[in-house]
Amino acid sequence: GAGVSQSPSNKVTEKGKDVELRCDPISGHTALYWYRQRLGQGLEFLIYFQGNSAPDKSGLPSDRFSAERTGESVSTLTIQRTQQEDSAVYLCASSLDTPLSSYEQYFGPGTRLTVT
Amino acid sequence: KNEVEQSPQNLTAQEGEFITINCSYSVGISALHWLQQHPGGGIVSLFMLSSGKKKHGRLIATINIQEKHSSLHITASHPRDSAVYICAVRLSYGGSQGNLIFGKGTKLSVKP
Repeated sequence: GAGVSQSPSNKVTEKGKDVELRCDPISGHTALYWYRQRLGQGLEFLIYFQGNSAPDKSGLPSDRFSAERTGESVSTLTIQRTQQEDSAVYLCASSLDTPLSSYEQYFGPGTRLTVT
Repeated sequence: KNEVEQSPQNLTAQEGEFITINCSYSVGISALHWLQQHPGGGIVSLFMLSSGKKKHGRLIATINIQEKHSSLHITASHPRDSAVYICAVRLSYGGSQGNLIFGKGTKLSVKP
């Protein structure tokens, strides 16, 4: 694929429902990141996958948030029992990062989540 | 105090002006990223630096590890440079890499 893709592009859900957001990274990229950007706010780190290492979950805001990645491919971010404060754009990025070296990150277009 | 501080928060310039955006950080890092967020929301990585200086077209990024400071320069600015510029640092934990911390961004508007 040409770049990082995310789906859906927009999601409106009712408070209390669960949502799943999907990210397809660039083929061959070992690292995958999830970020959140609330309206008018800066980017917040959520979680980082790198190769077969245990993911860095230090940015997840609560136990309602979880993410999985299958090998070096697709990742899903799941938000359970959504709250209105979860409304944000959720961005995914991938890179060739290794545990010791950083490389350029390529961002997807984001999923705009609105919790009503 | 935020671990990553950007200045200025907002910047308005006339087309053709030389622009500088600054980023200071207070933590140990393995790398620093400069990102550009377009008005439509899309994010593009401009530079990833761990030392020295990089140049791409009209954009130049520098980093001083000792002073924990980086600058992004735009020469001959153009209205299409109008965007939010974001500084992000990659934390360093004893040689291994940690997560990223973002600055709040600098909103640049270049007038024709």
